[in-house]
Parts: sequence; structure tokens; C-alpha cells
Amino acid sequence: DTAVSQTPKYLVTQMGNDKSIKCEQNLGHDTMYWYKQDSKKFLKIMFSYNNKELIINETVPNRFSPKSPDKAHLNLHINSLELGDSAVYFCASSQDWLAPYNEQFFGPGTRLTVL
Amino acid sequence: KQEVTQIPAALSVPEGENLVLNCSFTDSAIYNLQWFRQDPGKGLTSLLLIQSSQREQTSGRLNASLDKSSGRSTLYIAASQPGDSATYLCAVRYNAGNMLTFGGGTRLMVKP
Repeated sequence: DTAVSQTPKYLVTQMGNDKSIKCEQNLGHDTMYWYKQDSKKFLKIMFSYNNKELIINETVPNRFSPKSPDKAHLNLHINSLELGDSAVYFCASSQDWLAPYNEQFFGPGTRLTVL
Repeated sequence: KQEVTQIPAALSVPEGENLVLNCSFTDSAIYNLQWFRQDPGKGLTSLLLIQSSQREQTSGRLNASLDKSSGRSTLYIAASQPGDSATYLCAVRYNAGNMLTFGGGTRLMVKP
């Protein structure tokens, strides 16, 4: 009965490869997010989708392309992976985008290591 | 620039102590503030969310306060236990859109 799930949990790959991370939420939420947590443990927003539409893109390189096939899924595809992409990527969801009381629920994270 | 700062970065206390974690933010015009817990290698667990109109929220041994005028929030943990050991993150929603700005976290160790 996991609320927000991500696959894979760990991802080790070579520089230059293309990889995808999947996220699914079963909370019936309209809004989903991708965050990046770097080696210093700082969490930063990358993207947000509301009802399958992109609403935030926080100056992320265009090698990163999110895709939302439906409200319950937000996948992250990364092209031409670089060493600096190594981080933990978290998916999150919230009921919607604008409601005043809008708690965000996070997935377990995907640890990406680029060699 | 809208920032969130958490001090101290790390804290070690003996079991049973009451403790306070601090969070400060640069812009008092916030929508809400959320406290999370992160265990090593795990995701974030939401602990408490305080709306901008509220002054505090309580859940069990946890109490979070909000003082917008001074740009501060505190997370009070009563009668700490070893199981409370984790990193505690403060996140602020600064605008109408639900984007969160996170602090760097406080790594708490409660020793038996």
C-alpha cells in the first residue's frame, strides 16, 4: 500500500548513457514533483507537473526530460549522463498545486551513481 | 533570495532530553512550513505542516511553532528516544504554487 513509489532504488551507470527513473503515486493526487538531493544533502526542486502538465522547470539542463503519461505517474528520463548527475532523486506528490493546505508526500528515492 | 537555514547542522543528545531544532527563513510572506524526517538511505516522512495563519502544530511528542515576523520555526521533541535519530528537514512554501524550499537539515543523534 505504498503511497509514492519509485523504481529503481539504485542505479549505477556509465557516463554518456541514457537512463529513466519511474514514479507512481496511489494517493489520487493531481500534482507530482521531482527533487534532487546532492552529496551535501541539499534538496532542490527540479520539476513539477499538475494534471499531466509541466508547471515548474527550475533551470534544469534539457538533458533531463520529465514525462507524465497520467496523473499517477511522473517519470524522469536523463540523456547523456554526467558525473555531476550523481545524486538521490526523490519523487513527491500533493493533492493539487494551489490549495492552501498542501502536504507533500515523498517516495523512497533513487540513488543514481554515474561512473 | 528566498532561503531556508537550519542550525545546528548536527546535534547529539542523551536519551530522555527535550530538544529544539531551529529553522529560519528569509521572507516572512510564506504560505506554510513543513517539517520532515529523513532516515539514512530512506525517503522523507512528513511530520508536521503549519499554515501561515497558525502558530503551532502538535503530533505526539513533537511540537512545531511558527513565528513569521521573525522568520523562524522550531521543532520541539519531548523525551527524546534513540529511534528519533534521523535528519530533520524544514521546508517552506513561499508562493501560491506548491514549490518547497528546503533547509540543509539537522542531523540528530539520540544516544541510549
